[in-house]
Amino acid sequence: GENVEQHPSTLSVQEGDSAVIKCTYSDSASNYFPWYKQELGKRPQLIIDIRSNVGEKKDQRIAVTLNKTAKHFSLHITETQPEDSAVYFCAASTDNYQLIWGAGTKLIIKP
Amino acid sequence: NAGVMQNPRHLVRRRGQEARLRCSPMKGHSHVYWYRQLPEEGLKFMVYLQKENIIDESGMPKERFSAEFPKEGPSILRIQQVVRGDSAAYFCASSPTGAPEAFFGQGTRLTVV
Repeated sequence: GENVEQHPSTLSVQEGDSAVIKCTYSDSASNYFPWYKQELGKRPQLIIDIRSNVGEKKDQRIAVTLNKTAKHFSLHITETQPEDSAVYFCAASTDNYQLIWGAGTKLIIKP
Repeated sequence: NAGVMQNPRHLVRRRGQEARLRCSPMKGHSHVYWYRQLPEEGLKFMVYLQKENIIDESGMPKERFSAEFPKEGPSILRIQQVVRGDSAAYFCASSPTGAPEAFFGQGTRLTVV
């Protein structure tokens, strides 16, 4: 079955700098790759997603890139702000509904 | 649209008791998914239901766990004879189709003492 690995587990960046979180997946049939942000004690919230027919997608300070050949995708956050501090999860879907999640990255924004 | 509603938000059960977790999907959504999240881990798929049907329960333990989504009312995740290892956050998500772009509820945090 699908396996999603996420790195790093913790990422600390200076406010204003960029943050990059990387995920790899194992099943080449995966075609949907969302990223979720989860604040402590709260629900995961979808922040951006990408499908396998595109290589990059951008939404203001957030972008996701997908390399299907290498089977990895990355989340890029530019001009980080204190409110970006949270745990970020990547996920992959090989079919219409089941999401396989990475283990999460705790992003710390240092003032 | 109130979003996906889960209750209770927090549930404490003694070992051996039953836990019932409820999920009301967003209006117009007929697809419900349950996920479990252990501390400092990602979400693990448990079960996917449509109204009156279990589509995929491959992520659910074979014993003590069951789920339903009746024609009327919320989806229920039921855990019988709870053990300490069942302590986790249980999230429900819903979508209007079978697509994975789902909206999550606030979760139920189950603590087994």
